[in-house]
Amino acid sequence: AQTVTQSQPEMSVQEAETVTLSCTYDTSESDYYLFWYKQPPSRQMILVIRQEAYKQQNATENRFSVNFQKAAKSFSLKISDSQLGDAAMYFCAYRSGGTYKYIFGTGTRLKVLA
Amino acid sequence: NAGVTQTPKFRILKIGQSMTLQCTQDMNHNYMYWYRQDPGMGLKLIYYSVGAGITDKGEVPNGYNVSRSTTEDFPLRLELAAPSQTSVYFCASNTWGSRRENTIYFGEGSWLTVV
Repeated sequence: AQTVTQSQPEMSVQEAETVTLSCTYDTSESDYYLFWYKQPPSRQMILVIRQEAYKQQNATENRFSVNFQKAAKSFSLKISDSQLGDAAMYFCAYRSGGTYKYIFGTGTRLKVLA
Repeated sequence: NAGVTQTPKFRILKIGQSMTLQCTQDMNHNYMYWYRQDPGMGLKLIYYSVGAGITDKGEVPNGYNVSRSTTEDFPLRLELAAPSQTSVYFCASNTWGSRRENTIYFGEGSWLTVV
């Protein structure tokens, strides 16, 4: 069975600085997708970035980028120029290419300090 | 663009009462899901559906029921509410077939308290 592990329950970063959130996963599949979701206090789940396993190039969305290490089964999220609005819970998620199920990590709470 | 819409947003139930959480999506997605999120925890899959008329259990289905009579709607029924069902419930949907569309869309959540 696939698992997703986020080992950092909480992280802090100074405004305008860079922070990296860690995520590791375990799978024997070759076709899968990885995601980072942001959940602000409103509890709405917002897609931050996604990565297809078959792509070697790391995904980037504005200030958000990932470091996808397929062999190490690692999928970290880097947030550059952190802003107060980035403060939220961040969830890493995995989806097999051949199934319906998304598996979520337990989340990392990010605090942004002014 | 409405996306995934859940109602109600907040509800307080007494122990033993029943209720239905409504969920509808306007993206013609074939997959729909119900998750629950307990305080400080991740998401647990309750039920899912791969299309109209087809539903199946997730990780934590006990105490819940679902139906999928149309592509758009996927209501979650709570029977005989218990305090352990106090949680935030998320409905979600996505589609299948395109590599570009492997994104799950969430509703805004329904906060349920059972007292």
